[in-house]
Amino acid sequence: DIQMTQSPSSVSASVGDRVTVTCRASQGISSWLAWYQRKPGKAPKLLIYAASTLQSGVPSRFSGSGSGTDFTLTISSLQPEDFAIYYCQQADSFPPTFGQGTKLEIK
Amino acid sequence: EVQLLESGGGLVQPGGSLRLSCAASGFTFNSYAMTWVRQAPGKGLEWVSVISSSGGSTYYADSVKGRFTISRDNSQNTLYLQMNSLRAEDTAVYYCVKNLYSSGRRDYFDYWGQGILVTVSS
Repeated sequence: DIQMTQSPSSVSASVGDRVTVTCRASQGISSWLAWYQRKPGKAPKLLIYAASTLQSGVPSRFSGSGSGTDFTLTISSLQPEDFAIYYCQQADSFPPTFGQGTKLEIK
Repeated sequence: EVQLLESGGGLVQPGGSLRLSCAASGFTFNSYAMTWVRQAPGKGLEWVSVISSSGGSTYYADSVKGRFTISRDNSQNTLYLQMNSLRAEDTAVYYCVKNLYSSGRRDYFDYWGQGILVTVSS
């Protein structure tokens, strides 16, 4: 199975900050990567797929980049509603696997 | 509005069986693959199984292969997961998930249900 490793595991930031989360795959996955946001008590929400394609309805302050093994999720200007856990997921091969999550907390 | 409503969870003894159902609405059910994802207490998200839009193709995680069966009824807009020979390590919240595409291969998950708890314990 392809292992997905996110860093950092948690990050503290303030409203208005720019935040970057990294996801590394244990082998090349081209651009077969998605990012999800999960808030307490809520189902995960798809933010980005194909490494950089913004899902419909997702604010443009979210962006994704990368290919091969290294990927990033960037939030350009943090809003109060962005404090959540973020997961990456590879879709290159079965089984699809997820990163362990990055918790974004309010500083 | 897309809605995915899981049912059928609960407490079951090791070796027992359970069938999860997921009632889908708000989209053309027979056009999309559907997936089950689970999360055990204190653990990460684990993909369990996927079924293509037609139901003709299914795939399973090694951890459940031979014990779980995914199926769908496109006339009833319902997804199922039959879970047999349950083990303690199957204890988790199970999520019904809509895929972005129809085949289920190289795919992403654009809508998730709220999840349902399955507890395997004596």
